[in-house]
Amino acid sequence: DVKVTQSSRYLVKRTGEKVFLECVQDMDHENMFWYRQDPGLGLRLIYFSYDVKMKEKGDIPEGYSVSREKKERFSLILESASTNQTSMYLCASRQGLAGHQETQYFGPGTRLLVL
Amino acid sequence: GENVEQHPSTLSVQEGDSAVIKCTYSDSASNYFPWYKQELGKRPQLIIDIRSNVGEKKDQRIAVTLNKTAKHFSLHITETQPEDSAVYFCAASKDTGFQKLVFGTGTRLLVSP
Repeated sequence: DVKVTQSSRYLVKRTGEKVFLECVQDMDHENMFWYRQDPGLGLRLIYFSYDVKMKEKGDIPEGYSVSREKKERFSLILESASTNQTSMYLCASRQGLAGHQETQYFGPGTRLLVL
Repeated sequence: GENVEQHPSTLSVQEGDSAVIKCTYSDSASNYFPWYKQELGKRPQLIIDIRSNVGEKKDQRIAVTLNKTAKHFSLHITETQPEDSAVYFCAASKDTGFQKLVFGTGTRLLVSP
């Protein structure tokens, strides 16, 4: 059973703070993703990583950075949090077999409020 | 890039009725179409997917149909039950490059007893 965990379920931060969101998966998956979920906008891809130390921008990378130093862990960083980054953040992982489109497994989400 | 549109945004049905959610995609190269269900306060989970080499796939009360010519696909839920109440997301991807999923905006389904 795939397990994807996120460091916090709820987080309250102030404008300008540096924020770290952590995601860990226990299935030795190659690919990991960060999405934000907003009402009426669905799930939008911020960044993804297809291997350790590898990262690619998604559709809305502005204001975010990521780090993947170990295979099981993918961190999302808000360098200077702003109120428009208040959102639900979802991490996901998948096996990453080349040429195969596979299930993405999601974490429980972190609801971030920036004041 | 790929764009996925999903309708309706909300859908209310009576228990036992059928529910249909529709999605259209823009990139004709897309060939994988999963559906995720997100119950209130929970994480999205895959419920069914279809690949472009088939036109329909069924799993008990849920089915997905794909029309490649028109570039749309639909989720059908028959004999709906209150536990089907959730937000449903469609998505599309292709098997080249990084195979990113592009999600629709979601449909909130409410099944009333």
